[in-house]
Amino acid sequence: DAGVIQSPRHEVTEMGQEVTLRCKPISGHDYLFWYRQTMMRGLELLIYFNNNVPIDDSGMPEDRFSAKMPNASFSTLKIQPSEPRDSAVYFCASSWYSMGEKLFFGSGTQLSVL
Amino acid sequence: GQQVMQIPQYQHVQEGEDFTTYCNSSTTLSNIQWYKQRPGGHPVFLIQLVKSGEVKKQKRLTFQFGEAKKNSSLHITATQTTDVGTYFCAAIQGAQKLVFGQGTRLTINP
Repeated sequence: DAGVIQSPRHEVTEMGQEVTLRCKPISGHDYLFWYRQTMMRGLELLIYFNNNVPIDDSGMPEDRFSAKMPNASFSTLKIQPSEPRDSAVYFCASSWYSMGEKLFFGSGTQLSVL
Repeated sequence: GQQVMQIPQYQHVQEGEDFTTYCNSSTTLSNIQWYKQRPGGHPVFLIQLVKSGEVKKQKRLTFQFGEAKKNSSLHITATQTTDVGTYFCAAIQGAQKLVFGQGTRLTINP
């Protein structure tokens, strides 16, 4: 298995532009998570899905952030419009069966908003 | 809500010295997970502890879960340069969310 696949690896954009981050979880995993990592705030859970259904989006910073999971093999995290304070590494992770299972992380997307 | 507090935030050691990071919670945890993130990399799962007082070893790494299931530790014996990275603990918070500690960044002087 190729693991969790994220794209792009790096994204540089200008303030106000729309940014779309993509994730392909490990086949067979029921849970998909989006985390954001910054030096100041560490690893923050933004949203997670169970069987493609969003369960908890309380970590999404504001309405500029949205996430979808149209099928079991694909998810997107969209920021519109982007702001410099959104600059961070965004990780997607997936796991089996339940919240207590270990997470498999993708390589992350390094986002820089100028 | 429940948080997992991790200390220290940074630790610099000489190669060959031991290293320990601690994770503490104000509430009882159902389980705790440990992850390692190499510089520029992504978190990688190391281990999960479930039972009160549990101790698990992986080569030079020893993981402990407290008797009250409110704290945990990761100890590395005789560090090597390959141990460099940030070590995170993670636990399920309240409404079934896996929350990570702030991490302990380990640097090693060869």
